[in-house]
Amino acid sequence: EVQLQQSGPELVKPGASVKISCKASGYTFTDYNMHWVKQSHGKSLEWIGYIYPYNGGTAYNQKFKSKATLTVDNSSSTAYMELRSLTSEDSAVYYCARDGDGNYPYFDYWGQGTTLTVSS
Amino acid sequence: DIQMTQTTSSLSASLGDRVTISCSASQGNSNYLNWYQQKPDGTVKLLIYYTSSLHSGVPSRFSGSGSGTDYSLTISNLEPEDIATYYCQQYSKLPYTFGGGTKLEIK
Repeated sequence: EVQLQQSGPELVKPGASVKISCKASGYTFTDYNMHWVKQSHGKSLEWIGYIYPYNGGTAYNQKFKSKATLTVDNSSSTAYMELRSLTSEDSAVYYCARDGDGNYPYFDYWGQGTTLTVSS
Repeated sequence: DIQMTQTTSSLSASLGDRVTISCSASQGNSNYLNWYQQKPDGTVKLLIYYTSSLHSGVPSRFSGSGSGTDYSLTISNLEPEDIATYYCQQYSKLPYTFGGGTKLEIK
């Protein structure tokens, strides 16, 4: 059974950085792209970017290019997203989602979401 | 960026109804269109990919159709567990973009 288990809620101060994790199980981690999606409170979904664990290749939404960095640790089948220079605009729920087909991507399995609150 | 528009932000229907949720793209996207369901607890699931392909394990009462810029998700015979918000998403061009969501409620 495919599962994506994300790290717990985070409360961080403005200007700081945070690293959210997404541990995958139930499939070969390096075979599938991993995407990250932002959902601000009460709003829709925004695609941040994806990483291909096999070679670490990435693609980002230009809007998040200076905000987010995607990495993986293949030894533990874990994907990470680091967010830097945090402001209140970064307060949101962040999801990781597996890409079921890299050529015609659809997000077939999602993590439970990690709530990030940026506040002093 | 391709803008995805779900003109109906909320919809009320009765159990057993047939419900159609619409989504339009700001430019044609070659049927590269997915639908997702988000439950009130935040859980997100894939329902339909490539416009009309049903994801594994999704009940057959869900179906998708459309082409060019206009797409729709249909739920036949609405059940209580279908209460959720539904999002369309295009993957024709980067960045991938989502519609604003349609919240489905029971009348």
